[in-house]
Amino acid sequence: QITLKESGPTLVKPTQTLTLTCTFSGFSLSTSGVGVGWIRQPPGKALEWLALIYWNDDKRYSPSLKSRLTITKDTSKNQVVLTMTNMDPVDTATYYCAHSPPSGIAAAGPFDYWGQGTLVTVSS
Amino acid sequence: QSALTQPASVSGSPGQSITISCTGTSSDVGGYNYVSWYQQHPGKAPKLMIYDVSNRPSGVSNRFSGSKSGNTASLTISGLQAEDEADYYCSSYTSSSTPVFGGGTKLTVL
Repeated sequence: QITLKESGPTLVKPTQTLTLTCTFSGFSLSTSGVGVGWIRQPPGKALEWLALIYWNDDKRYSPSLKSRLTITKDTSKNQVVLTMTNMDPVDTATYYCAHSPPSGIAAAGPFDYWGQGTLVTVSS
Repeated sequence: QSALTQPASVSGSPGQSITISCTGTSSDVGGYNYVSWYQQHPGKAPKLMIYDVSNRPSGVSNRFSGSKSGNTASLTISGLQAEDEADYYCSSYTSSSTPVFGGGTKLTVL
């Protein structure tokens, strides 16, 4: 049974750096083709893909946010960490992590298991 | 990369069929058979309904089907039920080697 859970601060100030942790179980990030991604959703708005990391440390970032994002993994702890620098009120959103199964092309796979999400508010 | 284009809302009566479109370009939807669809109920995490254009994950009702023609992908829900009322999002792989989501469609069951 695959589960994922996001954790991190619920409130950050503008210009601060956000660090979110995704702790998962039921799969290993050392399994060929497996990935974990981050997706966010501002209140009342659409989903926005942020970043992906794969079993072989292949990393992909949203072109529009690439300069602000860093994704890393700790396979031994079953965790993936996303950092986002220079936070702004427009970054207020629910942040989800999700499992991506092996696919024909990296970053082409769907997100088949999702965490419950964590709401991050950016405000002074 | 721009978000894929979806209608803001669609509606249908119980038992009817509805189709939600997802329009992109030859650099995403039209160029690859890697389109997924997600269902999201209020306050809940998205749920994968269709992947690789037309494949259903185990446990998803066969009332949900996906297709693609050119730069437009479609999700069809047949035999509409009250529980299908939700937001639906498409996603596609892109030539930037990254995925992109659509703007979402609110489905109302009348």
